[in-house]
Amino acid sequence: AQSVSQHNHHVILSEAASLELGCNYSYGGTVNLFWYVQYPGQHLQLLLKYFSGDPLVKGIKGFEAEFIKSKFSFNLRKPSVQWSDTAEYFCAVNAENAGNMLTFGGGTRLMVKP
Amino acid sequence: DAGVTQSPTHLIKTRGQQVTLRCSPISGHKSVSWYQQVLGQGPQFIFQYYEKEERGRGNFPDRFSARQFPNYSSELNVNALLLGDSALYLCASSFGTANYGYTFGSGTRLTVV
Repeated sequence: AQSVSQHNHHVILSEAASLELGCNYSYGGTVNLFWYVQYPGQHLQLLLKYFSGDPLVKGIKGFEAEFIKSKFSFNLRKPSVQWSDTAEYFCAVNAENAGNMLTFGGGTRLMVKP
Repeated sequence: DAGVTQSPTHLIKTRGQQVTLRCSPISGHKSVSWYQQVLGQGPQFIFQYYEKEERGRGNFPDRFSARQFPNYSSELNVNALLLGDSALYLCASSFGTANYGYTFGSGTRLTVV
């Protein structure tokens, strides 16, 4: 069974700092990869997704993620965070043998100080 | 507005009781999936239904069951509630497979006392 690890549980940054959140998965086959964000009191929203092609994926709100197959990683980045990026971020994997099932990481809680 | 509607938003139940949670997917979406999100953890897959048939089941006991109706709405039932069932229950809809990406509802917060 596949698993997803997000090594940073809590991250605190000042506004304008750069962000990189790590995500590693364990599955040797073809995967679809996702990053979701959950703002305080709101539902999970899709930030970006990777299915195939260019391993550098751009999403909403200036976020991007890079798929590195050799490292089983899909790290999320943003060059300059804003206070409004304060939220919890979840990496998720859909493996080719898992139908429609998403396996989520444990999440990273990001706090951006104004 | 998420587009995926879940009811109720909050629920308090006593151990041993049964609960039914409801989900209406985005219009045109034929797949509904249920996830359990325990506080401080990522969502865990419970069920997926597509075209009214169960297409996937996560590692949850038989106390958990679900169904999908002809209008593609869905119900999640949990019997013999335990304290550990306290969680946010999320419904996600998609047109078909995960390739399209899910849209999540705001969830039902279940508290078992």
